Amino acid sequence: GQNIDQPTEMTATEGAIVQINCTYQTSGFNGLFWYQQHAGEAPTFLSYNVLDGLEEKGRFSSFLSRSKGYSYLLLKELQMKDSASYLCAVKDSNYQLIWGAGTKLIIKP
Amino acid sequence: ETGVTQTPRHLVMGMTNKKSLKCEQHLGHNAMYWYKQSAKKPLELMFVYSLEERVENNSVPSRFSPECPNSSHLFLHLHTLQPEDSALYLCASSPSDSSGANVLTFGAGSRLTVL
Repeated sequence: GQNIDQPTEMTATEGAIVQINCTYQTSGFNGLFWYQQHAGEAPTFLSYNVLDGLEEKGRFSSFLSRSKGYSYLLLKELQMKDSASYLCAVKDSNYQLIWGAGTKLIIKP
Repeated sequence: ETGVTQTPRHLVMGMTNKKSLKCEQHLGHNAMYWYKQSAKKPLELMFVYSLEERVENNSVPSRFSPECPNSSHLFLHLHTLQPEDSALYLCASSPSDSSGANVLTFGAGSRLTVL
């Protein structure tokens, strides 16, 4: 079967750095997405990786290793507003999106 | 505002009621989706419409009935639901229904409680 694994919950301190990991086993690969979802709000797109390496977007970066079936989302200079759930999703060979259960990130002052 | 609007935001219904969820997108997208989001579970794709035609139905019970009258509007009609159907129902749209970098734009969801 197809599977996406990510930690259920993480805690970090304001101003620090946190890395949220995502591992996947899918039938083929056509890209990996990260979405952010604040409580009671819509998930919003953060990043898309289809080639190996690091994509940087301001305080957020996303890394992909296709050979290891692994990605991470790196958040720097954490702010209280970064408290949210972070969803990892992979497109398989049929372009179906396979979702992880999400990682709830709690930021403490 | 994401450009995808869902109403109502909250809905409580009994198992014998009939209700509908509405989704509207102002992004000019060609594909629309219904997802079910339950606590600590991955998003479950329910239905996909591309250019107003249903292209996917992921074995969803018949008590959920989608309708897509045009490319901007999507409905989910609900009848004789079960308590386990209580969840957040998310609508999303995208430029097309496949391609690699096809980014979904989500609405804020309709929180459904079935008593």
